[in-house]
Amino acid sequence: EADIYQTPRYLVIGTGKKITLECSQTMGHDKMYWYQQDPGMELHLIHYSYGVNSTEKGDLSSESTVSRIRTEHFPLTLESARPSHTSQYLCASRQVNSPLHFGNGTRLTVT
Amino acid sequence: QKEVEQDPGPLSVPEGAIVSLNCTYSNSAFQYFMWYRQYSRKGPELLMYTYSSGNKEDGRFTAQVDKSSKYISLFIRDSQPSDSATYLCAVTTDSWGKFQFGAGTQVVVTP
Repeated sequence: EADIYQTPRYLVIGTGKKITLECSQTMGHDKMYWYQQDPGMELHLIHYSYGVNSTEKGDLSSESTVSRIRTEHFPLTLESARPSHTSQYLCASRQVNSPLHFGNGTRLTVT
Repeated sequence: QKEVEQDPGPLSVPEGAIVSLNCTYSNSAFQYFMWYRQYSRKGPELLMYTYSSGNKEDGRFTAQVDKSSKYISLFIRDSQPSDSATYLCAVTTDSWGKFQFGAGTQVVVTP
């Protein structure tokens, strides 16, 4: 059973709205990640964090931002949603020298 | 060129058959190899990970790595309808740096 929780699971929102996707993990993992997943495509890294107050951008150009104020919490914010942001967003975490563990994702639709 | 190539399928097999999945990768720096299973509307779930060339077995699942050919495989014996899912391969370096994912193979096991 996943120990990494994402809310909301589904979100439909209009263009221009600000949204925050929540991610929390109870495993005490230092490393946390946000990936974007589109059908038939490989996962693309948007942001990652190796600990509190540490955040980095990933490979995929993104208009989102993240914060890491607490070890267990890694929210992702879109200041102004656009239809091109429609996708599934996956949060993941891991311990040192270990594979990623994923949450169940947030499916975002921007109309 | 993608760093990890994976046939998207769908791969349809009858219940009880062996499912054979594979990925190829391009960079010999990748040293850790993972397989994830993703059910519809869920996040990827780690099935197995391995470091060395050769076979690793866990119940009905066998992961196989051939570093000389840059080729990884997953075999599922005695397949069940509950094995119907998308299977993702993933690779990373010796220092557990960036993860690269295949696009996933959809598997359908028919009763």
